[in-house]
Amino acid sequence: DVKVTQSSRYLVKRTGEKVFLECVQDMDHENMFWYRQDPGLGLRLIYFSYDVKMKEKGDIPEGYSVSREKKERFSLILESASTNQTSMYLCASSLFGRGPLETQYFGPGTRLLVL
Amino acid sequence: DQQVKQNSPSLSVQEGRISILNCDYTNSMFDYFLWYKKYPAEGPTFLISISSIKDKNEDGRFTVFLNKSAKHLSLHIVPSQPGDSAVYFCAASTQGGSEKLVFGKGTKLTVNP
Repeated sequence: DVKVTQSSRYLVKRTGEKVFLECVQDMDHENMFWYRQDPGLGLRLIYFSYDVKMKEKGDIPEGYSVSREKKERFSLILESASTNQTSMYLCASSLFGRGPLETQYFGPGTRLLVL
Repeated sequence: DQQVKQNSPSLSVQEGRISILNCDYTNSMFDYFLWYKKYPAEGPTFLISISSIKDKNEDGRFTVFLNKSAKHLSLHIVPSQPGDSAVYFCAASTQGGSEKLVFGKGTKLTVNP
């Protein structure tokens, strides 16, 4: 079974703090993704990476950066946390390529509260 | 501009009846569609998918129908069970796979015993 783990389930930070959210997958997947989920807005893509040291902006990258130094690990960084970044953050991974059976596998999520 | 739309934020059905969740899309380049299910405090899990070369895909109690001309897909759950109560997300891809998915806002399904 694919396993995607996220470093924290719940996190409370103060405005202006630098926040690191870590994600690790154990299936040698090339692609990794960071989303945030907010009520009424669904899942919105922040950043994704299709290879080590590669990254692409998603739909809402402002205020975030990412790091992928190793294939299995994808970090989301909030450079200076703000209250509007309070959200549920979801990491996902997938195999590279095209095929009817490929899908994204999600971690359990990190609920971040910025005070 | 929302490319994948789930216009019903919530749906309530009785146990044993059919649940029909709907999804509309605007981008005619989408060629792969997926449904994910999400319980509170958990990550979404993949449920079922369909390629644009098909109009129906079935997996047990779950069937997805695709109407390309109407840019519409639906997920049917028969019979519905209380354990199906969750938020269901429709997602679409333009690349036939999973490199980048566009998600709808989700529909919260409640199945009443």
